[in-house]
Amino acid sequence: QQPVQSPQAVILREGEDAVINCSSSKALYSVHWYRQKHGEAPVFLMILLKGGEQKGHEKISASFNEKKQQSSLYLTASQLSYSGTYFCGTEIVNTGKLIFGQGTTLQVKP
Amino acid sequence: DAGVIQSPRHEVTEMGQEVTLRCKPISGHDYLFWYRQTMMRGLELLIYFNNNVPIDDSGMPEDRFSAKMPNASFSTLKIQPSEPRDSAVYFCASRRQGLTYNSPLHFGNGTRLTVT
Repeated sequence: QQPVQSPQAVILREGEDAVINCSSSKALYSVHWYRQKHGEAPVFLMILLKGGEQKGHEKISASFNEKKQQSSLYLTASQLSYSGTYFCGTEIVNTGKLIFGQGTTLQVKP
Repeated sequence: DAGVIQSPRHEVTEMGQEVTLRCKPISGHDYLFWYRQTMMRGLELLIYFNNNVPIDDSGMPEDRFSAKMPNASFSTLKIQPSEPRDSAVYFCASRRQGLTYNSPLHFGNGTRLTVT
């Protein structure tokens, strides 16, 4: 039931864009995105509830396709501060239970 | 708001010893989660509680692991006896949840457990 994230790792130059994908084998109630810096706890970025809904956080946005049971995180004009590991968390039904993917490590270089 | 508070931050113990990790969730949060993070497995959900009641402990790896939530402001995760493969970072997290809203998880700073 663990969601699958791709790619596993991304290396970018400052200013470049990236897309991180998250897919589930089951229908989803919600998708959460978190970012974790090395040695720190994961920090919330955004929640998506409706099919096709896009939300934004600075230059980071996300979409949620209910039919495809997928969500994508878009990072535009990446900054050094975007470096870290990104996790998607999925909720199959409204039980409160959140399961995370393996994470995508993003490294932004000057 | 103090956030989710975990203790200790670091724990080093010898194989066979009992380990107890502690967590204080954010006041007013209905749900409490225990996750384990390793390089191999990522963030694994071990167990979660709703209103102090364990709802799903299917992620608890073995009978050596147990968790309790005696009241709304405190939870423990116990490993007895501990083994080297239990070495990981253990996160506690809490959230509010309802039929009409969906809220994020708030993570504690984690406990880094090393079993030698």
